[in-house]
Amino acid sequence: NAGVTQTPKFRVLKTGQSMTLLCAQDMNHEYMYWYRQDPGMGLRLIHYSVGEGTTAKGEVPDGYNVSRLKKQNFLLGLESAAPSQTSVYFCASSYPVGYGGGANEQFFGPGTRLTVL
Amino acid sequence: AQSVTQPDIHITVSEGASLELRCNYSYGATPYLFWYVQSPGQGLQLLLKYFSGDTLVQGIKGFEAEFKRSQSSFNLRKPSVHWSDAAEYFCAVGARNTGNQFYFGTGTSLTVIP
Repeated sequence: NAGVTQTPKFRVLKTGQSMTLLCAQDMNHEYMYWYRQDPGMGLRLIHYSVGEGTTAKGEVPDGYNVSRLKKQNFLLGLESAAPSQTSVYFCASSYPVGYGGGANEQFFGPGTRLTVL
Repeated sequence: AQSVTQPDIHITVSEGASLELRCNYSYGATPYLFWYVQSPGQGLQLLLKYFSGDTLVQGIKGFEAEFKRSQSSFNLRKPSVHWSDAAEYFCAVGARNTGNQFYFGTGTSLTVIP
């Protein structure tokens, strides 16, 4: 049981380049999330998905796109990278918070450190 | 609107001393509350969670948290801190009524002095 995995772990891009970050989970979770973490700002939600084929915008969606073609995978795309997108990106997955009568937490991947020059 | 406030950006304690990290939340309904820990270069790991029942919740690594509805608080405590507890700590509230989003505080960085 690998939990939540992310690829790649590190990446350096030049301004204007594009890339895709892959998140995979093996816990059969309906919900998946992409966050970015910047110093002093905590975790900010980029996009999330409530199920296969559905996505929604979070707090900071501009410059990013996502796709959830399979239940276990959630892809984050940067169309034209900018230095402001230098950050650590975390993927998470969960059951609904109240599902089964409990407080179901988010499970996090190890993160992807992205630098845009 | 849902929000989480962690008033302390950084805390320094001596090894063996007690610890309390503060968390205040704003949420219209019964909150689902979580504390996570993040070691440098790592992802977030769940310490404990609360939804209902006993307001004093026990977690991993000797941590506990107390839910106080009247104060909208969910403070994290540990009786005796170990050097390995040095990390970033995040409080979060899970919201059923906004697409199952989680709202995180900005974190408290803990330094442990030998």
